[in-house]
Amino acid sequence: GNSVTQMEGPVTLSEEAFLTINCTYTATGYPSLFWYVQYPGEGLQLLLKATKADDKGSNKGFEATYRKETTSFHLEKGSVQVSDSAVYFCALSYSGGSNYKLTFGKGTLLTVNP
Amino acid sequence: SQTIHQWPATLVQPVGSPLSLECTVEGTSNPNLYWYRQAAGRGLQLLFYSIGIGQISSEVPQNLSASRPQDRQFILSSKKLLLSDSGFYLCAWSKTKKSSGNTIYFGEGSWLTVV
Repeated sequence: GNSVTQMEGPVTLSEEAFLTINCTYTATGYPSLFWYVQYPGEGLQLLLKATKADDKGSNKGFEATYRKETTSFHLEKGSVQVSDSAVYFCALSYSGGSNYKLTFGKGTLLTVNP
Repeated sequence: SQTIHQWPATLVQPVGSPLSLECTVEGTSNPNLYWYRQAAGRGLQLLFYSIGIGQISSEVPQNLSASRPQDRQFILSSKKLLLSDSGFYLCAWSKTKKSSGNTIYFGEGSWLTVV
């Protein structure tokens, strides 16, 4: 079956540090890959996505590249800010008939200190 | 633009009491609708999804049920809550068009505490 494995954390960084959150997946076919972010007490927001191999998703300084050969979609940011403190979820989508369902990783809590 | 709303935002209910969480989507028609649950310290679990009015699929057996009485309305219910039903419930929607990278969009979430 489909699954997503991401580093569990928590991850604690100082402001302006480099961020990497690893995500690997297992899937049949060619899934789409996503990173969602959940700020404290809120729902999930789409951060970025990639729909095919070698695609790079980017948003708000975050980037992730769909690597089919390593089945990975690692999230990176060159310089984190305190406002980036949140839980980050890696996810993949697969088609089940006419509906699309997401399989999530367990989430990684990121805390950025000033 | 499309928006999704769910309510109530916070709910404290005694064990054995009923539950009703409601979700509506605006700005689109015939969306796929979803209910997810996020238990404390755990990831997200898909509970139900719906591809049309009255069409509900359950992903996991449990104490909850879902209904879709109107195209853009999705309701999560329980007749008798259990302590284990506590968690953060998220409604979500996506387009029905078959295309790669179909994104799922989430509501603000509802915190349920069963006491």
